[in-house]
Amino acid sequence: RKEVEQDPGPFNVPEGATVAFNCTYSNSASQSFFWYRQDCRKEPKLLMSVYSSGNEDGRFTAQLNRASQYISLLIRDSKLSDSATYLCVVNDYNKLIFGAGTRLAVHP
Amino acid sequence: DTGVSQNPRHKITKRGQNVTFRCDPISEHNRLYWYRQTLGQGPEFLTYFQNEAQLEKSRLLSDRFSAERPKGSFSTLEIQRTEQGDSAMYLCASSFHPEPDQETQYFGPGTRLLVL
Repeated sequence: RKEVEQDPGPFNVPEGATVAFNCTYSNSASQSFFWYRQDCRKEPKLLMSVYSSGNEDGRFTAQLNRASQYISLLIRDSKLSDSATYLCVVNDYNKLIFGAGTRLAVHP
Repeated sequence: DTGVSQNPRHKITKRGQNVTFRCDPISEHNRLYWYRQTLGQGPEFLTYFQNEAQLEKSRLLSDRFSAERPKGSFSTLEIQRTEQGDSAMYLCASSFHPEPDQETQYFGPGTRLLVL
């Protein structure tokens, strides 16, 4: 079993749609969680940290369920510029463990 | 630009040659990480430093790989006797430790290696 698992997609959605990505992780002792965004042939960039209480940043909402070892990302009112790969990331004793990513394509 | 920088951005080499990559972290960051990313996968951890001390190495880091951070600032990653399987994007990241909130790693643009 992979340490961090994500649906690879692609998710093809129209502009304005709401889309949700899910991720599960295997190490129950993990303490920090993140979503990174990666554009084609670019480096990963931090989208948001994920807290137990859930957190929101504009159109993006992240949730963490420690009991189920499950992380989610919700994107509302999708924009063309949201097209990218979204990486679910767990901090495992100072090193980041990445999922393989979920591809999102937003079309007009 | 005060972000993480990496050089070169691209490297094409023949199998069996040695290559060296450089990473300059964000100036106040004391931790520096190396990751490798292949097509369709997320980045995989290779090694990390706190200041000049190398604190952890992944099993992915074979004895052909060596990383240094001699003065606690920039770092180099050397691959000896390159193999075609070494073709990948090599990413460097840095962070400040300890961080009162969740410690965040910031990535450089990567060095894309192609071994022919």
